Amino acid sequence: TQLLEQSPQFLSIQEGENLTVYCNSSSVFSSLQWYRQEPGEGPVLLVTVVTGGEVKKLKRLTFQFGDARKDSSLHITAAQPGDTGLYLCAGALTGNQFYFGTGTSLTVIP
Amino acid sequence: DAGVIQSPRHEVTEMGQEVTLRCKPISGHNSLFWYRQTMMRGLELLIYFNNNVPIDDSGMPEDRFSAKMPNASFSTLKIQPSEPRDSAVYFCASSPTGVFTEAFFGQGTRLTVV
Repeated sequence: TQLLEQSPQFLSIQEGENLTVYCNSSSVFSSLQWYRQEPGEGPVLLVTVVTGGEVKKLKRLTFQFGDARKDSSLHITAAQPGDTGLYLCAGALTGNQFYFGTGTSLTVIP
Repeated sequence: DAGVIQSPRHEVTEMGQEVTLRCKPISGHNSLFWYRQTMMRGLELLIYFNNNVPIDDSGMPEDRFSAKMPNASFSTLKIQPSEPRDSAVYFCASSPTGVFTEAFFGQGTRLTVV
């Protein structure tokens, strides 16, 4: 069983639409990260959140860590084709040992 | 810095053969991770080294899998004997010392066992 479940698994939207990706667990994490992975490449870090209830913004991307530090969400405003990729959340129970979620594959259609 | 370097990028081998995947972490990084990625199971943590010492290998699927880190600049993941179900993309990642640090991934090795 996966420690972190992401939803939806697949998402296809039109350019300009908004979307939210969810990352859920029954475990409490010391920190949580979001990565984006493009075909043929390794994941690349987008953000790290460490405090329950924390909200971080990265241009059109908004990341939130749940109050209980068991879940997180990623909201993208006015999606663009360049946002296409696999979005992965990763949680650390302790230290730097991160466990990755199941992933959300996003396609933004021009 | 060239980033995390993995070799080979692609490997096709026959069932029963030994496969060795190689990783050169970013210089100065103290932590090294091996992950396996498949469509069915996503990105799974196989083993984690800190200062060249294996800290957690609970993700290693079977005794057929072994990993070593003889020094701070090199690690290997070996599968012997390989099976078709081992087909996946294997990633190596490294991170610096400290908490909440970023993991830098290599480009991965796509392994196909036929």
